[in-house]
Amino acid sequence: EIVLTQSPATLSLSPGERATLSCRASQSVSRSLGWYQQRPGQAPRLLIYDASNRATGIPGRFSGSGSGTDFTLTITSLEPEDFAVYYCQHHDSWPPTWTFGQGTKVEIK
Amino acid sequence: EVQLVESGGGLVQPGGSLRLSCAASGFTFRNYEMNWVRQAPGKGLEWLSYISLSGATIYYADSVKGRFTISRDNAKNSVHLQMDSLRAEDTAFYYCVRASTEVEGMFDYWGQGTLVTVSS
Repeated sequence: EIVLTQSPATLSLSPGERATLSCRASQSVSRSLGWYQQRPGQAPRLLIYDASNRATGIPGRFSGSGSGTDFTLTITSLEPEDFAVYYCQHHDSWPPTWTFGQGTKVEIK
Repeated sequence: EVQLVESGGGLVQPGGSLRLSCAASGFTFRNYEMNWVRQAPGKGLEWLSYISLSGATIYYADSVKGRFTISRDNAKNSVHLQMDSLRAEDTAFYYCVRASTEVEGMFDYWGQGTLVTVSS
């Protein structure tokens, strides 16, 4: 079973700053990794799929990179609405499971 | 507009049962695989169960296998989660989630969730 470990647990930044979030897989997942954003009181929404592709409607300030076991979500210039919790996620075909990281909270400094 | 609306949450005693429902609209429901994901208050996300287009293929997380049952009704555009033998650790928000048809393994739409509280 693949385990996803996100770091840091909390990132304290100011609006306009750059955010760099990490997700490490316990074994290679190739590029099969997604990122979700969850704002307070809301359901998660898909930001990035296949490690680096933005989902429909996601602003260009969000970008993903990585392959194998190490992945990064970058927000180039934080907007007020970007302060949220971010989760990485992977799907294993066999056994069929969908795994999330424990999340990184991006909070206002 | 895609909408997933969960219902059926509430307070239940340990060992009890609850049936969650999810009403889907704004898309051709029978063409999408569906899932349930939960989130304990203040905690992270946990995938629980998957159901294929026809309902013939179903998967569960180990944490709920044998206690939860997923089903769907394509005629009524709905998916359900029957939860039996509930435990305190099942307390969470339960989300109905649509699987993307464009990207394998990703979830493209989520409901707003329904809260299940297991307590005596």
